[in-house]
Parts: sequence; C-alpha cells; structure tokens
Amino acid sequence: EVQLQQSGPELVKPGASMKISCKASGYSFTGYTMNWVKQSHGKNLEWIGLINPYNGGTSYNQKFKGKATLTVDKSSSTAYMELLSLTSEDSAVYYCARRHFDYWGQGTTLTVSS
Amino acid sequence: DIVITQDELSNPVTSGESVSISCRSSKSLLYKDGKTYLNWFLQRPGQSPQLLIYLMSTRASGVSDRFSGSGSGTDFTLEISRVKAEDVGVYYCQQLVEYPYTFGGGTKLEIK
Repeated sequence: EVQLQQSGPELVKPGASMKISCKASGYSFTGYTMNWVKQSHGKNLEWIGLINPYNGGTSYNQKFKGKATLTVDKSSSTAYMELLSLTSEDSAVYYCARRHFDYWGQGTTLTVSS
Repeated sequence: DIVITQDELSNPVTSGESVSISCRSSKSLLYKDGKTYLNWFLQRPGQSPQLLIYLMSTRASGVSDRFSGSGSGTDFTLEISRVKAEDVGVYYCQQLVEYPYTFGGGTKLEIK
C-alpha cells in the first residue's frame, strides 16, 4: 500500500527556518517525482515544486524560489522541504504528493507566530 | 502562469440528483501528444485532496463510475451522478500541461 507520512505540526517564530519530511512507503521511491503543495486559508492550493528522487533534479514555482528548498534522502525514502525566512504568510498546510498527484500525505500544519 | 477558474455552485444539491462542476483554463491544456492535462480532485472536510479524474476524463483507481470528466482544450466539466452525502467537499481542477502547475479556486458541494 502506497503511503506518504508527513511530519507533525509546527509552530515557529518569524524569521526562522524549518523542514518538513515526507516518508514514502509501498512503492519504489526513486521511480516517481514528488510534488509539494501549499494550502492556505483552508482553500487555495499552490504548487511549490517537485523533485526527482532518482537524481535530485528539481523544478520550482518561481513564486517559491528562495522560500522552499526540496531535497531527498534515498536511503530512507524520505523527501524534505525546507522553508526559509518564515513570515505569517507562510502559515498554511503543506502536502507532499506523488508524481501524478495520485497519493498525498496527510498534510503538515505550519503556524508562524511570535 | 495558466489561470484556472471555477464557479461556485448556486445551490445545495439534493441527494440522488446529478450535478455538473465547471472549470476553465486561460490556455489550452491539450498537449502535443494529444492528451489533455487536467486533473480533478475532491477534498473532503479535514482530509487531503483525493484524485478523481486525470487526463481530463480518466477515472483514478477506485473512483466510483458516478464521476465523469469531459471537456475541450480550455473548458472542462466534472459530472457527478446520483449525488451522495459522501460527495460533500470542495472540488478542485488542476492543470499539468506546463510549469507551474496551477489549481482552480475550488467549488464547494453541499447536500440539502
């Protein structure tokens, strides 16, 4: 069974950075790209970018360049998204989703507040 | 970026009825391979989005045949027949023909 298990909710201070993990199981991790999606205000969905776990190649939404950095650890079948210089605008639920968006993680809620 | 537009439903739907949800794209989603790169998702309250339809009209694995997708290069429709209480949630369409992938603003389905 394909599963994407994300890390838990985070409360961080403005200006800080944080990293969300997405551990994949039930399929060949290196065989599928991994997408990351932001959902703010409980509705708006935005594609952040994707990473190819096989070679680490990435494609980013221009809007999130400099804000998000995507990496993987093939040894643990885990994808990561680091979010930098956080502001209140980054408060949202973040999802990982496999290549064709056929499987999604459960979401990680990020709250940026002092 | 490609802009995806979804309308709101005017009224709640009665169980057992059919409903159509529309989606429009600012650019054709028909790619040179002949495929149309549009997804439909359902996000139930408190859950992650679930893929319903890909390539405009192909049902995802395990999805009920009550859901069907159709359209042209820029105008798309998701039809739900015999609506059930479990269909409640927000429906999103998404284009994958070019980066950045973009989503519509969502259409909320409510049952009377």
